[in-house]
Amino acid sequence: DIQMTQSPSSLSASVGDRVTITCRASQIISSYLNWYQQKPGKPPKLLIYAASTLQSGVPSRFSGSGSGTDFTLTISSLQPEDFATYYCQQSYFHSRTFGQGTKVEIK
Amino acid sequence: EEQLVESGGGLVQPGGSLRLSCTASGFTIGSYFMSWVRLAPGKGLEWVSGISGSGGSTYYEDSVEGRFTISRDNSKNTLYLQMNSLRAEDTAIYYCAKNNIVVVSAQDHSCMDVWGTGTAVTVSS
Repeated sequence: DIQMTQSPSSLSASVGDRVTITCRASQIISSYLNWYQQKPGKPPKLLIYAASTLQSGVPSRFSGSGSGTDFTLTISSLQPEDFATYYCQQSYFHSRTFGQGTKVEIK
Repeated sequence: EEQLVESGGGLVQPGGSLRLSCTASGFTIGSYFMSWVRLAPGKGLEWVSGISGSGGSTYYEDSVEGRFTISRDNSKNTLYLQMNSLRAEDTAIYYCAKNNIVVVSAQDHSCMDVWGTGTAVTVSS
């Protein structure tokens, strides 16, 4: 089975900081990689699909890159509403595996 | 507006059963692959099961294979998850999600673009 590994598991950052989260797949998945944001008590929200395409309505400070097995989610200037948990998810296989999540906390 | 509403969660004893429902509005579920995803306390998101638009193909995470059954009634625009032989580790918020297909660089990419608000399942004696 494919495994998705995110790093770090958590991070503390300040408003205005540049934040980078990485996701590694245990097998090559081309660009079949999505990113989601989840806040407590809310369902996940799609941010980026196909590794680098921004979902409609998502602020441009979010960006994604990567292909093959290594992927990155970047928030260029962290805003107060961005404190949340972020998940990568592969869509190459029918089993839509998620990474374990990265919690972004206020420093 | 596309919406999903889950129901059927609750408290159940270990070994018991529950059936979750997910009713869609604003779109036809028969046109999409649909998924169930759960969030256990203190854990991350876990994909549980998926079903093709026709219902002809179903997929399961290893820990629920043989215990859970995903199905759909396109005439009712509703997705189901029958959960049997429940265990404490199945305790979670269960979400249903629509898997949209978007074409990027001539390739079809699937992503979960519409989510329900979730229904809570607690397995405890």
